[in-house]
Amino acid sequence: KQEVTQIPAALSVPEGENLVLNCSFTDSAIYNLQWFRQDPGKGLTSLLLIQSSQREQTSGRLNASLDKSSGRSTLYIAASQPGDSATYLCAVEDYKLSFGAGTTVTVRA
Amino acid sequence: NAGVMQNPRHLVRRRGQEARLRCSPMKGHSHVYWYRQLPEEGLKFMVYLQKENIIDESGMPKERFSAEFPKEGPSILRIQQVVRGDSAAYFCASQSIADEQFFGPGTRLTVL
Repeated sequence: KQEVTQIPAALSVPEGENLVLNCSFTDSAIYNLQWFRQDPGKGLTSLLLIQSSQREQTSGRLNASLDKSSGRSTLYIAASQPGDSATYLCAVEDYKLSFGAGTTVTVRA
Repeated sequence: NAGVMQNPRHLVRRRGQEARLRCSPMKGHSHVYWYRQLPEEGLKFMVYLQKENIIDESGMPKERFSAEFPKEGPSILRIQQVVRGDSAAYFCASQSIADEQFFGPGTRLTVL
């Protein structure tokens, strides 16, 4: 059974600081890994999807890496802004998605 | 191309009533997944359906819960005789073959 762990559970940083969010998974037989953002009481916004054959993906200030053999992914958010405050979810797909519990980020102005 | 639609967005039921949650996948998508997010918990897989078939229901509670995806119309997640512990956000996602899953906005079920 796939287990997905996200560390830290919560993170508070001053505006402008870079964010590093970690995700680990136990079964490396995955199709892809996806990072989502969820605002309180809202749905999921897909941020980045990394195919199993890829090592990283970038979109604007966001960069995600994937090391499938070691079961790890890292999401980097450069120059954080208060609008980045949200919960970030990591999910791995082996046809169904298995989610981590999330990292709740607070960016202080 | 409209995204994944779910309705209702909010649903309030009293204990013992039935809840019906609907999910209309994106055009051309024949795969539907349901996930549940209990308060203060992560998202958990419930069921995976293709048109007229249940592929994997390993995440569904054994009693009171059922799901279908008919040839025509939306996918339905049905919860019979709801209890307070069923209060959660229910998300569906649709997928075309070998594509990523696209999520709907969710239905927030409150059981009084």
